[in-house]
Amino acid sequence: GQQLNQSPQSMFIQEGEDVSMNCTSSSIFNTWLWYKQDPGEGPVLLIALYKAGELTSNGRLTAQFGITRKDSFLNISASIPSDVGIYFCAGLNYGGSQGNLIFGKGTKLSVKP
Amino acid sequence: DGGITQSPKYLFRKEGQNVTLSCEQNLNHDAMYWYRQDPGQGLRLIYYSQIVNDFQKGDIAEGYSVSREKKESFPLTVTSAQKNPTAFYLCASSIDSWRYGYTFGSGTRLTVV
Repeated sequence: GQQLNQSPQSMFIQEGEDVSMNCTSSSIFNTWLWYKQDPGEGPVLLIALYKAGELTSNGRLTAQFGITRKDSFLNISASIPSDVGIYFCAGLNYGGSQGNLIFGKGTKLSVKP
Repeated sequence: DGGITQSPKYLFRKEGQNVTLSCEQNLNHDAMYWYRQDPGQGLRLIYYSQIVNDFQKGDIAEGYSVSREKKESFPLTVTSAQKNPTAFYLCASSIDSWRYGYTFGSGTRLTVV
């Protein structure tokens, strides 16, 4: 099946630092989504992207839909302890996913106060 | 408030017993999904249903069964045939995954001893 490669797998950062993570695919995607999962909870949608080149912000979070439509990036500025969790990218394409999201394996973020 | 409810939050069962996980939504979403999450494995699709009385196998359906008799409900049964059932199970629903992605429940942690 289709796969999304998400990196890094984990990050350990100091409070106040900026964070970058990305997702790549061998296929073109038409929608990119970024989710955050708090420990022991379900993922929550952070940002949705619909057009190549689109840049969207949600507070300290900024995500971009890559120009090639095969990648997406998420940046978190000035991290705080509550940013801890797992961040998932997810994508949809018209080709064969039948409207089912394809997920990356997640980036686990740890923040030291 | 509309949402998606999974119950119970924690479930313990003896090996060899079937167990059913509940998922209910009052969002009027047509599509519902079940995922399994293991550490470092990301989200793996078990079953999905796009409409009442119809469902499809996902990537890891063996040892699981579902039903979709009502739009609001999509219970998952973990059978004794599932070789390694201990995991965190997530239910999700969507009205238009292309625009809004999925809404997730808060998960059920199943431990089989």
